Amino acid sequence: AQSVAQPEDQVNVAEGNPLTVKCTYSVSGNPYLFWYVQYPNRGLQFLLKYITGDNLVKGSYGFEAEFNKSQTSFHLMKPSALVSDSALYFCAVRDWGSSNTGKLIFGQGTTLQVKP
Amino acid sequence: DVKVTQSSRYLVKRTGEKVFLECVQDMDHENMFWYRQDPGLGLRLIYFSYDVKMKEKGDIPEGYSVSREKKERFSLILESASTNQTSMYLCASQPADRQSYEQYFGPGTRLTVT
Repeated sequence: AQSVAQPEDQVNVAEGNPLTVKCTYSVSGNPYLFWYVQYPNRGLQFLLKYITGDNLVKGSYGFEAEFNKSQTSFHLMKPSALVSDSALYFCAVRDWGSSNTGKLIFGQGTTLQVKP
Repeated sequence: DVKVTQSSRYLVKRTGEKVFLECVQDMDHENMFWYRQDPGLGLRLIYFSYDVKMKEKGDIPEGYSVSREKKERFSLILESASTNQTSMYLCASQPADRQSYEQYFGPGTRLTVT
């Protein structure tokens, strides 16, 4: 079965420190991977994606993610966290198990708390 | 920029009422989706549509129906609202271009059924 796991419900980090939000996946086809961010009472905003190419993907707001095929992971990272990065983060993977549409499977989300 | 709008940010309905949630996108996207978001469960797909008048069930379609009469508009219908349908509802659109799979989300509708 295809799935996405975000093993941490919450990640706490001090402002200025590096942050990592973890994601692992299981898919039957090529892993097309995504990160989204959700600020309070808002919809999801696209951050970055991996389809093919370089394993290190750069996205919006200084975030990047590393695709690791052997570990089936796609962790989200930022070198220096800001208080304004505090939000709910979702990892997603393309669902190859259905008709040829762009369905995504989402993880359960990780709350990032950045403290001043 | 892609814009996805939802008809209401907050909605309060009574048990048994018929509820319509509307979603409109302005980028001529072929695919549209309805999700519900609940704490600890992430996003769960209710229905999606890949063309006008075309729809497919997602993972949790029970208690819901959808309508897509025009390409830009995708409606979610709760035929008889129940308290367990209290949730955040998110609409998304997506181009059918196979090089681009990201979905674009609306701001969400927080529905409370009393």
